[in-house]
Order: sequence, then C-alpha cells, then structure tokens
Amino acid sequence: DSGVTQTPKHLITATGQRVTLRCSPRSGDLSVYWYQQSLDQGLQFLIQYYNGEERAKGNILERFSAQQFPDLHSELNLSSLELGDSALYFCASSVGAANQPQHFGDGTRLSIL
Amino acid sequence: EDKVVQSPLSLVVHEGDTVTLNCSYEVTNFRSLLWYKQEKKAPTFLFMLTSSGIEKKSGRLSSILDKKELSSILNITATQTGDSAIYLCAGAGSYQLTFGKGTKLSVIP
Repeated sequence: DSGVTQTPKHLITATGQRVTLRCSPRSGDLSVYWYQQSLDQGLQFLIQYYNGEERAKGNILERFSAQQFPDLHSELNLSSLELGDSALYFCASSVGAANQPQHFGDGTRLSIL
Repeated sequence: EDKVVQSPLSLVVHEGDTVTLNCSYEVTNFRSLLWYKQEKKAPTFLFMLTSSGIEKKSGRLSSILDKKELSSILNITATQTGDSAIYLCAGAGSYQLTFGKGTKLSVIP
C-alpha cells in the first residue's frame, strides 16, 4: 500500500459527460501528480501541483483541469468526454517539488461508452 | 521533447534465470532515473539513480546508471514467478517524470 488513495476505482460514463477524479496524497507529501495510462501511449504526465500551486504541465488537454486543495488532496476534472479518454488515470505524490520518488495510487479506470 | 526508450518490450524467461532490462534516456535538465515495477495496479518504486554512478541493490534486484551512455540497466538474478510484471523506467527532469513504455517480464515456472 503506497498510502496514496484514489477514488473512485472505476467510472463508466458516456461521451460528452464530465467526471471528477479524486486523490489523497501520502501523509506529509506536498506534491501531487496526475498521469494517464493507455495501452498505446504508456504513462503520460498530465499535471503537477505543489502545496496548492500548479508546478508543471504536461500533455494535458484543455478539456481537463485539476486543482489541489488546502488539505492537499487533489481533483482532476475531465469534461466533454470522448471515447479516446478511456484510460487508467493515476495520481502520485512526493514529499518535495522535484527529483524525488513518486508514489502511485491504484488508479481510476475510466471507461467512456 | 524528452524521450525514454526501454528494451526489450517483452521477455519470457524460466525461473532461476538472470535478466537484464535496458533503458536509455534523453531528458532536458536530467536529474535522476527511476525504476518502477507495475503488476496489476499501481507502479511501485524500486530505485532512484543519479549521475553519481552508484549502483543500487535490493535483494535480487540491482541497477546502475551510465551517464556517458545516457542509459541504465536493471538486473534481476534468480528470477521467480513473482517477478512477473511490467518494469518501467522514468527520467526525471526539472519537475516531471518521462516514462518509457515498459518491459513486460514473464517468468515461467
């Protein structure tokens, strides 16, 4: 158990809908990272927050947004969902802002019908 | 654009064999290279390597970074069926990790 908690574990929804994925980092970790994992693309970095502030952005679509709250939990919002958004979404956390091991949650499997 | 390439993509070995997994990287502002093991769910952290070249070991697993060749290897000796997994390497730049696509290791009894 990494100590990173993600909810829900599974999500099934339809095209055009909006969903929110939630992540609670390990106790003491200030950084939260979001990744998308699909069969053909592997693990793709989406966005990082450090202590409530956006720190780095990767290949995140404009339809996706995230935030980190004062209690350090984070939410990833996905809107106008398309079939291609079906994937496993991971949250990871680390103590500092950079160059530290990231510890991953079990992921949320999103299926778009 | 940062790039991490792993080889081979998949590998099938028998229990007791020794395997070597390869990872090469091109990462802007490179700081470290990380190895993860992914079974059914979350990738679990194995090692973090820096340009110091110090080998890291944990039981039957070991790994080292070659900063001249911009590469790293992960060795697993006396493999067991429990080693079956996807092994991911990731290059750490200023803030983010860039992952390779992984090596799928299957260990046959």
